[in-house]
Amino acid sequence: QKEVEQNSGPLSVPEGAIASLNCTYSDRGSQSFFWYRQYSGKSPELIMFIYSNGDKEDGRFTAQLNKASQYVSLLIRDSQPSDSATYLCAVTPWGAQKLVFGQGTRLTINP
Amino acid sequence: GAGVSQSPSNKVTEKGKDVELRCDPISGHTALYWYRQSLGQGLEFLIYFQGNSAPDKSGLPSDRFSAERTGGSVSTLTIQRTQQEDSAVYLCASSRDRGGQETQYFGPGTRLLVL
Repeated sequence: QKEVEQNSGPLSVPEGAIASLNCTYSDRGSQSFFWYRQYSGKSPELIMFIYSNGDKEDGRFTAQLNKASQYVSLLIRDSQPSDSATYLCAVTPWGAQKLVFGQGTRLTINP
Repeated sequence: GAGVSQSPSNKVTEKGKDVELRCDPISGHTALYWYRQSLGQGLEFLIYFQGNSAPDKSGLPSDRFSAERTGGSVSTLTIQRTQQEDSAVYLCASSRDRGGQETQYFGPGTRLLVL
């Protein structure tokens, strides 16, 4: 079992709709959770981080964390074509400083 | 302010040669990380520095890989006797301090191709 798992997609969503990206992790002691966006040929850029159970909202983005289910998600409301990218879920394992990444979900927003 | 910078942006080398990749973290960031991203393996952790020390080298794939950091700033990743499977994008990241809740900011990467 991979430490961090994501559906590789591609996930296709019409413009203006909600895109839902999911991630599960295996280390129950994981402490911090990050969503990065990566455009083709570019480096990852941070979208959101979440540390506590529940929802965290930032503009059109909402991160959701459920530690009991070892599940973290990212919702993108009012999706725009510029949101088309690969979304990487990253987790900090207990006692570590490194990030462990999922394989990424490729998201396409169709105009 | 300036972000993380890396050089060179692209490197083509022949199998068996040594290469050096450089990373300049964000000014004042004490923690520095190296990752690599390849098609088959996704984004993998290589090594973490806190100051000039490397408390976590667990991701280095073989003894051909080494890294150092000097002056608590610039870091160099060295790959000796390069192999074709070393071809990947090597990404450097830095964070303000250590700690799982610190955000890591990534540089643009060095794209390495071993022929």
